[in-house]
Amino acid sequence: KAGVTQTPRYLIKTRGQQVTLSCSPISGHRSVSWYQQTPGQGLQFLFEYFSETQRNKGNFPGRFSGRQFSNSRSEMNVSTLELGDSALYLCASSLEDSSYEQYFGPGTRLTVT
Amino acid sequence: GENVEQHPSTLSVQEGDSAVIKCTYSDSASNYFPWYKQELGKRPQLIIDIRSNVGEKKDQRIAVTLNKTAKHFSLHITETQPEDSAVYFCAASVRGSTLGRLYFGRGTQLTVWP
Repeated sequence: KAGVTQTPRYLIKTRGQQVTLSCSPISGHRSVSWYQQTPGQGLQFLFEYFSETQRNKGNFPGRFSGRQFSNSRSEMNVSTLELGDSALYLCASSLEDSSYEQYFGPGTRLTVT
Repeated sequence: GENVEQHPSTLSVQEGDSAVIKCTYSDSASNYFPWYKQELGKRPQLIIDIRSNVGEKKDQRIAVTLNKTAKHFSLHITETQPEDSAVYFCAASVRGSTLGRLYFGRGTQLTVWP
C-alpha cells in the first residue's frame, strides 16, 4: 500500500496570508491527525478527523482549522499567518481512530516571512 | 488528559553501547505505548509498540518494557550503531476509547558516536 502523502512539501508565505495543506492517508484508513513540529517542541497535536468529523482538538487558536472528505483525504487551513506558524506540519493516518497506531506523512515545511 | 514525560532529552553513546530512554504517563487507563523514530529530515516511523497486557517486547536490537504499577515504560537499544542516531518519541493512549488519542513525549535526541 502507498504510504501517507502530503502536499505541498515546502511552502513560503507572508504574514497575514492563509495557507491550505493537504494529506492523503493510507488507503482504508479512516482517521487523520495533524501535528505541528518545531525545534525543541516535539509533536504538538492540532486536531483529528475521523469519518469526516473533527474527533479531537488540541490547544491551538481558531486560525487553525481542518476538514476531511468522504475519501478520507484531509486538509488543514491556517488563516492570518504569523511568523510563529513557521514549522513542519505532519499528518498521520490510522486504520481506526488516533488512539491506535499512527503512520506519518513526510510533512509540509511552512515558512512564514 | 494524559501527560507523557520523556527523559533524557538528549543522549550520547558510543557505538556498541546500550541506550535507554524512559517515559512516564499519568493516566492509569492508558493501555497502548508506541515508540517512534524520526531521522533528520524524515517522517516519524513506528518502530515498536507494547500493550498493557505485556511486560516486555523485543525486536532484534530494540526492546520495550512496561511497568504499569509505576506507570512508566522504557525503550532499550542494544549494540547501538550510528544509524540509530535520531529523535525518539514515546507515546501513550487508551486504545479504542471514546475520544482517545496518542499523547506524545517531547522526544529524545540520540547520538551514536562511531
